[in-house]
Amino acid sequence: GNSVTQMEGPVTLSEEAFLTINCTYTATGYPSLFWYVQYPGEGLQLLLKATKADDKGSNKGFEATYRKETTSFHLEKGSVQVSDSAVYFCASPPGTGGFKTIFGAGTRLFVKA
Amino acid sequence: DTGVSQDPRHKITKRGQNVTFRCDPISEHNRLYWYRQTLGQGPEFLTYFQNEAQLEKSRLLSDRFSAERPKGSFSTLEIQRTEQGDSAMYLCASSLGQGLGNTEAFFGQGTRLTVV
Repeated sequence: GNSVTQMEGPVTLSEEAFLTINCTYTATGYPSLFWYVQYPGEGLQLLLKATKADDKGSNKGFEATYRKETTSFHLEKGSVQVSDSAVYFCASPPGTGGFKTIFGAGTRLFVKA
Repeated sequence: DTGVSQDPRHKITKRGQNVTFRCDPISEHNRLYWYRQTLGQGPEFLTYFQNEAQLEKSRLLSDRFSAERPKGSFSTLEIQRTEQGDSAMYLCASSLGQGLGNTEAFFGQGTRLTVV
C-alpha cells in the first residue's frame, strides 16, 4: 500500500532562515501529493498540492516539487517567519485501490524571533 | 457553510463509558472520513463513507468502534466501553470526488477525547 515518510522533528530555525522538510513516498501509480499544516490548537489545513510529476505546488511562500525519479515532495521556504511555527504533514491519497489519504508522522517547526 | 464542524471539541470520560462524536461535513461533499491522531503522530485512517455507504474500515477500528452516516450528510462515531488507549484527537474530514480522483480533504478541528 501507499506510505509517506517525512523527516523527524522538531526543526528549530531563526526567523528568515531557509526551511526544508523532506518527504518521500511509495505509491501505486502516481497519486497527487499534499502538504498539510496544523497550527497550535487548530485542525489540519491544506498548504499546497501537486497533482502530477514535475508539478510544483506553492502557497504562502512555501513550495514543493513532485519528483517522480526520487519519489520525493520536499517542502521548502526561503525565509521563515515566527507565524510559520506549526506541524507540517506530508500526505498522499492513493492513486489506485482506495480513497483514504495517508499521512506522514508530521514535522514540528519552531521559528524563533 | 463554513467548513467541517465537529462536536464536541473536548470530551472527558471515565473508562468503560460510551461516547459519541458528531461530524457535519461541507454540505456538497459526498465523501467523509474519520481519522485518529495521537500526540506526535500523523492522522491514522479509521473509516470512510461515500454518501451513506461505509466503504472502508481500518483494522484500527475494533468492534468497540462504530460509525454511521445515515442520510449521507452528518456522521457519528461511537466508542463503546472506552479504554485509556482510546485517548486521542478524533478528526473528521470531507471531500468531493468521483471515482478514484485525488481530491483534497477538508478537516474539522477535531474532538479531543480523554479517558480517565
